[in-house]
Amino acid sequence: GIQVEQSPPDLILQEGANSTLRCNFSDSVNNLQWFHQNPWGQLINLFYIPSGTKQNGRLSATTVATERYSLLYISSSQTTDSGVYFCAVVPSVWKTSYDKVIFGPGTSLSVIP
Amino acid sequence: DGGITQSPKYLFRKEGQNVTLSCEQNLNHDAMYWYRQDPGQGLRLIYYSQIVNDFQKGDIAEGYSVSREKKESFPLTVTSAQKNPTAFYLCASSPSAAGELFFGEGSRLTVL
Repeated sequence: GIQVEQSPPDLILQEGANSTLRCNFSDSVNNLQWFHQNPWGQLINLFYIPSGTKQNGRLSATTVATERYSLLYISSSQTTDSGVYFCAVVPSVWKTSYDKVIFGPGTSLSVIP
Repeated sequence: DGGITQSPKYLFRKEGQNVTLSCEQNLNHDAMYWYRQDPGQGLRLIYYSQIVNDFQKGDIAEGYSVSREKKESFPLTVTSAQKNPTAFYLCASSPSAAGELFFGEGSRLTVL
């Protein structure tokens, strides 16, 4: 089946720094999402981005579907950005299978003052 | 406000007891899902449902049961057959099959 990898696994940033998180997937996908899991456990939608580039405030994401990766950019990081960032994909081969949302292992981000 | 509501947020259970976690959505989404997350781990799919009165097992369905009697509701019962039920449970919905997922705030279950 499809493999989803995220890098780096852990990241510590000084407040105000920029960072790039990466999601690699081993096969073609129909959908790709980025989530932020805050310290209280809630999963917050960041981007729904099967391809192309989107921006939302200090965050932006780019998915290059043909090269099978997606990048999440965080600029001017704040302590509230701390948590775990997950990417999740739906493989193209499972177009009508509801259970084939595959989550990556996550990147744990700590932003220190 | 539209969204997904899970209750309770925290729940303690004695061994041998069944417990039901509630998940309600007012987004008019067709599909609903239950995931389990253990500390420091990713999400694992328990059950999912596309339409009312239909649901399918995910990767770790043993010891769990669900129902989908209404479009907006998808309760999860953790039965006494679940050997290690202490975990964080997340409910999600999507407008269509494998569409964009939206999550509730989660329910944290602890078995004493």
